[in-house]
Amino acid sequence: AQSVSQHNHHVILSEAASLELGCNYSYGGTVNLFWYVQYPGQHLQLLLKYFSGDPLVKGIKGFEAEFIKSKFSFNLRKPSVQWSDTAEYFCAVNHPGGSYIPTFGRGTSLIVHP
Amino acid sequence: ETGVTQSPTHLIKTRGQQVTLRCSSQSGHNTVSWYQQALGQGPQFIFQYYREEENGRGNFPPRFSGLQFPNYSSELNVNALELDDSALYLCASSIDSTEAFFGQGTRLTVV
Repeated sequence: AQSVSQHNHHVILSEAASLELGCNYSYGGTVNLFWYVQYPGQHLQLLLKYFSGDPLVKGIKGFEAEFIKSKFSFNLRKPSVQWSDTAEYFCAVNHPGGSYIPTFGRGTSLIVHP
Repeated sequence: ETGVTQSPTHLIKTRGQQVTLRCSSQSGHNTVSWYQQALGQGPQFIFQYYREEENGRGNFPPRFSGLQFPNYSSELNVNALELDDSALYLCASSIDSTEAFFGQGTRLTVV
């Protein structure tokens, strides 16, 4: 069964600091990769996704992620965080062999101090 | 907003009772999935319905059951509630299992 690991469970940053959140997955075949964000009191929403093509994916609100197949990784980055980025971030993976049912990581709680 | 609505938003039940949670999919979406999100954890997949048929199930006991209706709305039923069933239950809809759009969830507390 596939699994998703998010290494950082809690991250605290000051505004304007750079962000990188790690995500590794275990499935060896073709995968689709996602980063979701959950702002306090709001629903999960998609930040960005990778299906194929350019492994550097740009999403909303200045976020980007890089798919490195050899490392089974899909790390999320943002060069300069804002207080409004305070949220839970979830990495997810699905693949054709699993009926495209996504598996989520346990999430990273990001707190940005103004 | 995603167009996926869940009801109720909050619910308190007693251990041993049964509960039904409801989800209206985004217009045109034929696939609905249900997740359980415990505090401090990522969403755990319960099951998925595609055009009214269950086409995937996670590691949840049979007392978790569901339905998808012809209009693609869905229900999650949980029988014989246990304290550990307390969680946020998320519904997500999609077209043919591509990008999932999530509702705001139902917060279930079992006492």
